[in-house]
Amino acid sequence: TQLLEQSPQFLSIQEGENLTVYCNSSSVFSSLQWYRQEPGEGPVLLVTVVTGGEVKKLKRLTFQFGDARKDSSLHITAAQTGDTGLYLCAGAGSSNTGKLIFGQGTTLQVKP
Amino acid sequence: DTEVTQTPKHLVMGMTNKKSLKCEQHMGHRAMYWYKQKAKKPPELMFVYSYEKLSINESVPSRFSPECPNSSLLNLHLHALQPEDSALYLCASSQEREPGQGIFPSSYNEQFFGPGTRLTVL
Repeated sequence: TQLLEQSPQFLSIQEGENLTVYCNSSSVFSSLQWYRQEPGEGPVLLVTVVTGGEVKKLKRLTFQFGDARKDSSLHITAAQTGDTGLYLCAGAGSSNTGKLIFGQGTTLQVKP
Repeated sequence: DTEVTQTPKHLVMGMTNKKSLKCEQHMGHRAMYWYKQKAKKPPELMFVYSYEKLSINESVPSRFSPECPNSSLLNLHLHALQPEDSALYLCASSQEREPGQGIFPSSYNEQFFGPGTRLTVL
């Protein structure tokens, strides 16, 4: 069974601070997505990484995919209150059914 | 258009009611999904439709009945629900591989979610 361990589960920081969220697995994933979800809304796709060692940037967000495609990280520089939300990593399972394996999620609160 | 729409936004129902949730996408995606999500937890997969056929049922109780009338629409029929079924119900869609395709594009597994239906069962 493929699992994604996401950490930390909860994070409360002040505006302007930096943070990193991690997703780790013992399994290889063909691709990995990061989503952000605000309360009462559906998850919004931020990025997809597919190549080992890949780095993608989305304004103040930097996403990395591990060389072995077993882990990924999301780094936010100079967090803003608008970054508050639930961050989810999700990997494409090996069965090629279209099922996503989700991490447990990171609830981020950025205080002004 | 990268939007998945869901109706209603909120639904309150009694345990003896029958109601339906609706989902629509116009991205040409041929895979559609129903998820259930509890607060601050990841979505839990319920059903997957591929080319309008049910391909995955994650052992969901029969009081939840999915339907895919065409490639753009997905319904979830609800009957005799329990209070513990109260949750946010999410619909999602993604590209699907062509039958017989060996190598999948990177976008194959990208799922686009709707805003969800907040369901409360009294």
